Amino acid sequence: GENVGLHLPTLSVQEGDNSIINCAYSNSASDYFIWYKQESGKGPQFIIDIRSNMDKRQGQRVTVLLNKTVKHLSLQIAATQPGDSAVYFCAETLQGAQKLVFGQGTRLTINP
Amino acid sequence: EADIYQTPRYLVIGTGKKITLECSQTMGHDKMYWYQQDPGMELHLIHYSYGVNSTEKGDLSSESTVSRIRTEHFPLTLESARPSHTSQYLCASSVMVTGELFFGEGSRLTVL
Repeated sequence: GENVGLHLPTLSVQEGDNSIINCAYSNSASDYFIWYKQESGKGPQFIIDIRSNMDKRQGQRVTVLLNKTVKHLSLQIAATQPGDSAVYFCAETLQGAQKLVFGQGTRLTINP
Repeated sequence: EADIYQTPRYLVIGTGKKITLECSQTMGHDKMYWYQQDPGMELHLIHYSYGVNSTEKGDLSSESTVSRIRTEHFPLTLESARPSHTSQYLCASSVMVTGELFFGEGSRLTVL
């Protein structure tokens, strides 16, 4: 089945620096990917998504990059702020699979 | 801001009790989901529904059951709670399978 995982369980960055959170997936047929942010005590919140016919998508302070050759997804957060502290999950779905599969999550900590 | 609500937010009960976790959404979404999540870990899909009177088991085996009698309501029931059921349960809904999931705040269950 699908397997979505993250390279690092924790990531610490200085406030104002850029953050890069990585995600590997094993199902080359997956065609839709989402990044979620989960703050302590809350449910996950949508950040940005990307379809497999794209390799880059930008939002407000966030960019998602998709490398289908190596089955790698990354989330870049520009000018990291204290409010960015959270656990970040990538998720994938295969068209027709009818459900989203989540990875393990990376805890992002912002140092002042 | 998503309109999906879960109650109770926190529940501590004894072994053998029957519990129902409530989930309601006011967005008119046909698709609803229950995920189980241990602290800081990935989300595991335990149940989903694509509409009224439609329920399916997810990837992670669960002793819980669900029902979907109304579009807006997707309750989860444990007939006899055990300590192994201690976890956070997250409800979500979506318009499409390959689209954004809107999550509730979660119900944190502790079984003593």
